[in-house]
Amino acid sequence: QKEVEQNSGPLSVPEGAIASLNCTYSDRVSQSFFWYRQYSGKSPELIMSIYSNGDKEDGRFTAQLNKASQYVSLLIRDSQPSDSATYLCAVAGGTSYGKLTFGQGTILTVHP
Amino acid sequence: AAGVIQSPRHLIKEKRETATLKCYPIPRHDTVYWYQQGPGQDPQFLISFYEKMQSDKGSIPDRFSAQQFSDYHSELNMSSLELGDSALYFCASSLGGTSGTDTQYFGPGTRLTVL
Repeated sequence: QKEVEQNSGPLSVPEGAIASLNCTYSDRVSQSFFWYRQYSGKSPELIMSIYSNGDKEDGRFTAQLNKASQYVSLLIRDSQPSDSATYLCAVAGGTSYGKLTFGQGTILTVHP
Repeated sequence: AAGVIQSPRHLIKEKRETATLKCYPIPRHDTVYWYQQGPGQDPQFLISFYEKMQSDKGSIPDRFSAQQFSDYHSELNMSSLELGDSALYFCASSLGGTSGTDTQYFGPGTRLTVL
């Protein structure tokens, strides 16, 4: 079992819809949670970071963290075709110290 | 804003050759991480440095070595290259050590192809 698991994709949503991406992690003492966006052949780009239980909003993006359930999610509102990419959930801290442990990624396609 | 710089961006080598990848972190960042991303895979942690000392080690082959220099840039040295070493190699930098709470910013990556 991977330490970080993401919901299986690919995920396809129409333009303007809400895209929901989910992630679970196994290390209960993890401290930091990140969502990165990666276009094919490019480097991961930070979308959101979240450290405390609850919701964190930044523009069209909302990250949700539930440490009791070891679950983190990302909602993308008003999805745009330019949001089409692979979204990587990453976890750090705890027994992993600073290194990022990534999920396998979810491919999101936003169609016009 | 200044970003992480990696060089070269592309590298083609033959089997059994050596390669050196360089990473220049964001100014004032004192922590560097190296990740390897194979085709269709998520990035895998290789090694990290904080204040010029190795801070953590992941699934890095013994054929690979790395160090961080006094100006905080880092180099990943790869010897006896194998076909399976073909991948994207990312460097990421952060400020403040390896507690896991600091955001890592990724460089553009080096695409290594081993023929």
